[in-house]
Amino acid sequence: ELKVEQNPLFLSMQEGKNYTIYCNYSTTSDRLYWYRQDPGKSLESLFVLLSNGAVKQEGRLMASLDTKARLSTLHITAAVHDLSATYFCAVDMNAGKSTFGDGTTLTVKP
Amino acid sequence: EAEVAQSPRYKITEKSQAVAFWCDPISGHATLYWYRQILGQGPELLVQFQDESVVDDSQLPKDRFSAERLKGVDSTLKIQPAELGDSAMYLCASSDPGQVVEQYFGPGTRLTVT
Repeated sequence: ELKVEQNPLFLSMQEGKNYTIYCNYSTTSDRLYWYRQDPGKSLESLFVLLSNGAVKQEGRLMASLDTKARLSTLHITAAVHDLSATYFCAVDMNAGKSTFGDGTTLTVKP
Repeated sequence: EAEVAQSPRYKITEKSQAVAFWCDPISGHATLYWYRQILGQGPELLVQFQDESVVDDSQLPKDRFSAERLKGVDSTLKIQPAELGDSAMYLCASSDPGQVVEQYFGPGTRLTVT
């Protein structure tokens, strides 16, 4: 059974600081997704990572995938309040069936 | 921009009653997913359709939950009877298997069972 673990589960950081969220998974996969969820809202797709070494960047967020280590990271650069949300990684094992982590709730304080 | 539609957005029901949710995927998307998201957790896949066929329903509690996608377009998820533990957000997503299998999520239905 695939297990997806995110850490930290809760992250409080100051504006302007950098931080990294980690996503570890237990079995081989070369497809990983990152989503953002605002309170009471649905999931918004951030990144799709399809191969070992994949790196994608959008604004202050950068995601990477190391399939050999079974690890993905979501790096936040110079955080701003608008980035406050819950971030999920999801690993795709079979024909689109995704297993999600429990999410990292990020709070950015002034 | 095409979106996944879901209704209702909110539903309050009493324990032991029946409840149904509807999802209309993005036009042309052959794959449709129903997820359940309990507060504070990640979404859990309940059922996956490819056109009108069920691909995976291994996590669907079949004694009380049912799902159908009769014409391979929109879908209905039903719970009968509802239990207190069913209170959650029910999310529908769709994808085009010819692409990157990126899933697009609808706004969700927030179910409260009293």
